[in-house]
Amino acid sequence: EIVLTQSPGTLSLSPGERATLSCRASQSVSSTYLTWYQQKPGQAPRLLIYSASSRATGIPDRFSGSGSGTDFTLTISRLEPEDFAVYYCQQYGSSPPGYTFGQGTKLEIK
Amino acid sequence: EVQLVESGGGLVQPGGSLRLSCAASGFTFSSYAMSWVRQVPGRGLEWVSFLSDNGGSTYYADSVKGRFTISRDNSKNTLYLQMNSLRAEDTAVYYCAKIPGGYYYDSSGYFDYWGQGTLVTVSS
Repeated sequence: EIVLTQSPGTLSLSPGERATLSCRASQSVSSTYLTWYQQKPGQAPRLLIYSASSRATGIPDRFSGSGSGTDFTLTISRLEPEDFAVYYCQQYGSSPPGYTFGQGTKLEIK
Repeated sequence: EVQLVESGGGLVQPGGSLRLSCAASGFTFSSYAMSWVRQVPGRGLEWVSFLSDNGGSTYYADSVKGRFTISRDNSKNTLYLQMNSLRAEDTAVYYCAKIPGGYYYDSSGYFDYWGQGTLVTVSS
């Protein structure tokens, strides 16, 4: 089973700054099946990025995803107040079938 | 507008059973696979189960295999999760989530819409 490790656990930044979040897989993951979600307190997760770099409908272009193999990155180019949340990466496996999430990165206001 | 509304959560004793429901609207429910994902309050996300569009294909996390059963009624646009032999470690918010595809191996591998969740507490 592939394990996803996100870093840092907590990232403290100010509005207007650039955020770089990392997701590292224990084995190579197809870029097609690497996804990022945002979750705010008391809310369900929201799809941000699928296929490693494709923005979901309605997601601002300050969010971008990149990476391949075992190393993937979510970048927020210029933080807005509403971007402070927890971010999860997720991968889809074929053998055995299942979905795995990283443990999350909390992006907090500095 | 896609809407997923879970219900059925609550307090149950260890060893007990509970059935969760997820009412779907705003899309052709019978054309999409669905999943349940859970989250212990304050913790991360854990995938629980997958069900194909026609109900013919199911997958479960090892942590719930043999105890939980996922099903759907496409005539009622509703997804279910029957949870038996519940344990304290099953305490979590349970989300239903839509998958942009019908079958596991031809789906896109992610969840594009989520419900608001229903809390299940297993405690004596």
